[in-house]
Amino acid sequence: GAGVSQSPSNKVTEKGKDVELRCDPISGHTALYWYRQSLGQGLEFLIYFQGNSAPDKSGLPSDRFSAERTGGSVSTLTIQRTQQEDSAVYLCASSLVGAVPTISPLHFGNGTRLTVT
Amino acid sequence: QQPVQSPQAVILREGEDAVINCSSSKALYSVHWYRQKHGEAPVFLMILLKGGEQKGHEKISASFNEKKQQSSLYLTASQLSYSGTYFCGTVNTGNQFYFGTGTSLTVIP
Repeated sequence: GAGVSQSPSNKVTEKGKDVELRCDPISGHTALYWYRQSLGQGLEFLIYFQGNSAPDKSGLPSDRFSAERTGGSVSTLTIQRTQQEDSAVYLCASSLVGAVPTISPLHFGNGTRLTVT
Repeated sequence: QQPVQSPQAVILREGEDAVINCSSSKALYSVHWYRQKHGEAPVFLMILLKGGEQKGHEKISASFNEKKQQSSLYLTASQLSYSGTYFCGTVNTGNQFYFGTGTSLTVIP
């Protein structure tokens, strides 16, 4: 079936503007994750959704970042008042298993490359 | 919390072997391994559950030593296609999932 879909694939925005990044997970996957990856760096956890449980927001770097997941499916990551340090690739992943990804692989989308000028 | 991988980077000639290590400061329940090629998303390789099992994928295998809170990824007879950044992902007994620091692997002809 279809994989994880992210849009847009590239986004260039001016400093101070708000942006919305979209993630469409694999159908039936209950868990959804957002990660940020700066050039040549590792995967920085941002937020995790599982079913109807309260999301784990412990990785969000500031209150300018927020995310929601509607109907247990599509998720939107919003960055308000963007700063140059927000420039990175934002990756979304989904998996089958619930509370923890103990045995289920994470399936990643191709990411959104955000450039703040 | 974040597992530490070693080495940070390694360069191999085709046909050579490599080992990538992943260490956690917390007791682990399971370990994932992913490979990310340049400009692409990470791709799942394998999962290991506690019990010291070893798994294989092509000529890539891994082991998990829960006592030492470590996992190792073994690449044998490396191919050019193995180049990329390898990440472990650990699930600790507190039910938290963290990606490791990453290991860049370059295979040259």
